[in-house]
Amino acid sequence: DVKVTQSSRYLVKRTGEKVFLECVQDMDHENMFWYRQDPGLGLRLIYFSYDVKMKEKGDIPEGYSVSREKKERFSLILESASTNQTSMYLCASRLEGARGREKLFFGSGTQLSVL
Amino acid sequence: AQSVTQLDSQVPVFEEAPVELRCNYSSSVSVYLFWYVQYPNQGLQLLLKYLSGSTLVKGINGFEAEFNKSQTSFHLRKPSVHISDTAEYFCAVSAWADKIIFGKGTRLHILP
Repeated sequence: DVKVTQSSRYLVKRTGEKVFLECVQDMDHENMFWYRQDPGLGLRLIYFSYDVKMKEKGDIPEGYSVSREKKERFSLILESASTNQTSMYLCASRLEGARGREKLFFGSGTQLSVL
Repeated sequence: AQSVTQLDSQVPVFEEAPVELRCNYSSSVSVYLFWYVQYPNQGLQLLLKYLSGSTLVKGINGFEAEFNKSQTSFHLRKPSVHISDTAEYFCAVSAWADKIIFGKGTRLHILP
């Protein structure tokens, strides 16, 4: 089965720090996504990537950037962490095109606390 | 652009009673529709999906959903809920090979 691995389950950072969240998938999926999940707000798309070195802004990209240098790895970067970025961050991957209509495969999430 | 609205943030229901979780979407193009479930302290998993064909789709754990194009709805139903169905349910929409947009979620509370 597809495995999407997020490097940290829990992370605590200080305001102003640069934060890297890493996500790796092992099934050669073209598409990868970063969401944040907050109570009452559901999942909101931050960035997504159709393929290596390609990225598209989602609904809430402000304060974030991403990097996709290799197909299997999609990194989310908080340039200068702020307390309102405290959240659960979910990475997901998907096959591209018609095959990719099936479903997203999610990682187990990273709970980030910014103090 | 697509959007999805889940009309209820919380739904309490007695065990063995039927339940309907409501989802409406908007899109200018044909869409694919999904329901995902997140059990307490677990990751998201796909419950069911509508891609094309029959408008009534069946998923895991006895859930089903009906795609209604005229009403732009994709409501989730189960005829008899169990305590193990306690979870948060997310409706999601996607155009072909496009990003997937999620609703805000509906928490299903099963009452004994």
